[in-house]
Amino acid sequence: DAGVIQSPRHEVTEMGQEVTLRCKPISGHDYLFWYRQTMMRGLELLIYFNNNVPIDDSGMPEDRFSAKMPNASFSTLKIQPSEPRDSAVYFCASSLDRGLWGYTFGSGTRLTVV
Amino acid sequence: GQQLNQSPQSMFIQEGEDVSMNCTSSSIFNTWLWYKQDPGEGPVLLIALYKAGELTSNGRLTAQFGITRKDSFLNISASIPSDVGIYFCAGRLTGNKLVFGAGTILRVKS
Repeated sequence: DAGVIQSPRHEVTEMGQEVTLRCKPISGHDYLFWYRQTMMRGLELLIYFNNNVPIDDSGMPEDRFSAKMPNASFSTLKIQPSEPRDSAVYFCASSLDRGLWGYTFGSGTRLTVV
Repeated sequence: GQQLNQSPQSMFIQEGEDVSMNCTSSSIFNTWLWYKQDPGEGPVLLIALYKAGELTSNGRLTAQFGITRKDSFLNISASIPSDVGIYFCAGRLTGNKLVFGAGTILRVKS
């Protein structure tokens, strides 16, 4: 199993630009999570999906952030327009059926907005 | 909202020493999990605990789910250089949401 695959690994963009982060969950996993990690705030849950349906987006910081899961094998997190304070590592994670065995995280996308 | 208090914030220990870290919360959790994060990677699950009082080992790692369901600890025996990293506790609420602690940074002197 290739694990949770995220792309790109690193992204540097200018303030105001649109940024799209991509995630391929582990095949068969029915939950998908997007987290943001910063030194100040640690790991924050942004949004999660169950069977491709958004269940809880209360962690999405503002309307500039949006996430989609068009099918069971792909999700995107979009920031438009990006701001310097969005700089962080964004993780995607997936789990199987209520996460009894915890989540499997991807390697993350390090986003720098200049 | 729910919050996990993880301590210590960081540790700098000698190779071969034992390590202990813990998490406490004002909320009751159904599951406690411990993760380790290496630089440039995502957190990796080390141990999962499902019942109050449960004590589980994974090699040199031992973790316990507190009786009150509001705390958990992780012990690492005979630390080695590759134990370096950030250790996170996480508590699972109803449904499938995990709340993460702020992490314990472990450094090992060889």
